[in-house]
Amino acid sequence: DGGITQSPKYLFRKEGQNVTLSCEQNLNHDAMYWYRQDPGQGLRLIYYSQIVNDFQKGDIAEGYSVSREKKESFPLTVTSAQKNPTAFYLCASSIDRGSSGNTIYFGEGSWLTVV
Amino acid sequence: LAKTTQPISMDSYEGQEVNITCSHNNIATNDYITWYQQFPSQGPRFIIQGYKTKVTNEVASLFIPADRKSSTLSLPRVSLSDTAVYYCLVGARDDKIIFGKGTRLHILP
Repeated sequence: DGGITQSPKYLFRKEGQNVTLSCEQNLNHDAMYWYRQDPGQGLRLIYYSQIVNDFQKGDIAEGYSVSREKKESFPLTVTSAQKNPTAFYLCASSIDRGSSGNTIYFGEGSWLTVV
Repeated sequence: LAKTTQPISMDSYEGQEVNITCSHNNIATNDYITWYQQFPSQGPRFIIQGYKTKVTNEVASLFIPADRKSSTLSLPRVSLSDTAVYYCLVGARDDKIIFGKGTRLHILP
């Protein structure tokens, strides 16, 4: 089936560690996005990418890094510089650049908890 | 990017029709209006999209007045499983797709 696969579903991080969340899509979409969602809150944009080897910061990029070496993959690294990383992380894609009429497709999300 | 305003929360009862209104006073000429539904610990999913007048699909209707400064998502005969957060999205700028805080809909038995 076509879709977006995020892994792992649950991840625990120790203080000072970097962790990487995987996001893979087989929808042949050009654009991919990472959002963060805190409990009871809306989605906040971390990074987005419109094409391979190019990505842009969203509203809360500090403490995060991404890469886009392949069209189908957009991994997110939560670095030790992110002081409050405990949250629900959502990866998404759309057929091309974020124009108004595009539908966004989301993965099932990854829960990251700092222990 | 058009700013959207939705009610923070709404309650309704099973079997009722629910209408959620979104205000977007500075919507641009080429902006579409899209609604998403999110259940706890899941990614949002597309419900419906429209540009003007009325759009209907198997799960919802979307009403957009002529001035397009607001839109109303209508859910017919809701059930407990419609309890979720509903997001109204309008437009995209500089390739960003920004979500607001959404409306928490709670369906009561």
